Amino acid sequence: ETGVTQSPTHLIKTRGQQVTLRCSSQSGHNTVSWYQQALGQGPQFIFQYYREEENGRGNFPPRFSGLQFPNYSSELNVNALELDDSALYLCASSPLKRGTDTQYFGPGTRLTVL
Amino acid sequence: GEDVEQSLFLSVREGDSSVINCTYTDSSSTYLYWYKQEPGAGLQLLTYIFSNMDMKQDQRLTVLLNKKDKHLSLRIADTQTGDSAIYFCAETENRDDKIIFGKGTRLHILP
Repeated sequence: ETGVTQSPTHLIKTRGQQVTLRCSSQSGHNTVSWYQQALGQGPQFIFQYYREEENGRGNFPPRFSGLQFPNYSSELNVNALELDDSALYLCASSPLKRGTDTQYFGPGTRLTVL
Repeated sequence: GEDVEQSLFLSVREGDSSVINCTYTDSSSTYLYWYKQEPGAGLQLLTYIFSNMDMKQDQRLTVLLNKKDKHLSLRIADTQTGDSAIYFCAETENRDDKIIFGKGTRLHILP
């Protein structure tokens, strides 16, 4: 039990639609990172937020965007869904800005794009 | 570019030691991690090692780092059925930087 929750657990969308995934971190965790894990692959870094501002971004197009809120919740938004967006999306939170060694992952949201 | 490689599968008999190997390319890596992922669960950080260390031991887990060869290994002593999972090797240059993951090694425990 990491104290990081994600919703929904599973989601099915069609190509071209938009989706919002949610993450709730532990109180006091000011850093949240989002990862995409395709089937059979390791997680890939999408972006990170620290105190509601983007603090780093991986190699993902602008249709992947995020928000972080003062109540330690955050969102990942994906516009114009493509079939290749089907994956497990993981969020991870940390109490520190420099805290990959203190990072806790949620169970993930499984997104299927048809 | 940055890359982390690991073998995809490993089968070990219950009670034996498991050794999962990993190689990485980024010579600037400062933190190296081992994560465990069980079905339907998120990633669990098992242990990590700082690049100026050669070895780290934590109960049944031993991490060995050969920085010259950019080789990292995870040894699990007395492997149990509960150790069955996918193990990811990962690295980062800075603790606030993105983590680069390998594709994971699926550990299968034989009775």
